[in-house]
Amino acid sequence: DQQVKQNSPSLSVQEGRISILNCDYTNSMFDYFLWYKKYPAEGPTFLISISSIKDKNEDGRFTVFLNKSAKHLSLHIVPSQPGDSAVYFCAASPGTYKYIFGTGTRLKVLA
Amino acid sequence: DAGVIQSPRHEVTEMGQEVTLRCKPISGHDYLFWYRQTMMRGLELLIYFNNNVPIDDSGMPEDRFSAKMPNASFSTLKIQPSEPRDSAVYFCASSPGQGSAEPQHFGDGTRLSIL
Repeated sequence: DQQVKQNSPSLSVQEGRISILNCDYTNSMFDYFLWYKKYPAEGPTFLISISSIKDKNEDGRFTVFLNKSAKHLSLHIVPSQPGDSAVYFCAASPGTYKYIFGTGTRLKVLA
Repeated sequence: DAGVIQSPRHEVTEMGQEVTLRCKPISGHDYLFWYRQTMMRGLELLIYFNNNVPIDDSGMPEDRFSAKMPNASFSTLKIQPSEPRDSAVYFCASSPGQGSAEPQHFGDGTRLSIL
């Protein structure tokens, strides 16, 4: 029973364009959401987060949007760069220290 | 500052052998997490500790898996006996205590292959 779903296993985008990664969740008790980025042979690194009291959080080229009614969040990367090529994991937390992760989306930014 | 340190980075062993994975969390972090990454299920939380005490082990797949945290700077995840389906990348992560918004920091993982 996957509570956090990333339905697109992979995504390819041209350099300079927008990358949009999507994530759906089923548990309405989740109140904190995060995105992690993972390069090969390395551990995931924290990218950006959002609390359920907000619907948008921005950090440089990265913006996370939260739609609570649809139980959906998305990560926008603008403009996309080749160094952004990685696997992106969405995670959700019910207000504890426990994170539930999705299966990841592999982003490839083409030069 | 040193991050989360895991060892070994790679482990290849035969089915039935005991496997021990090791983790040193970031100094001062009160929470330690063990995850398993597979293609099918992504990153699954196996167990987590607070101040060296196991809080939630509901993700541990079966009795062949055990985890300990004898002190604040060391944790082990043991599989005995190991099976081919245990092959995966195992990550350790740590985070500061209550009141901090700092997210979990991950080590670089141990890639485990059971033949």
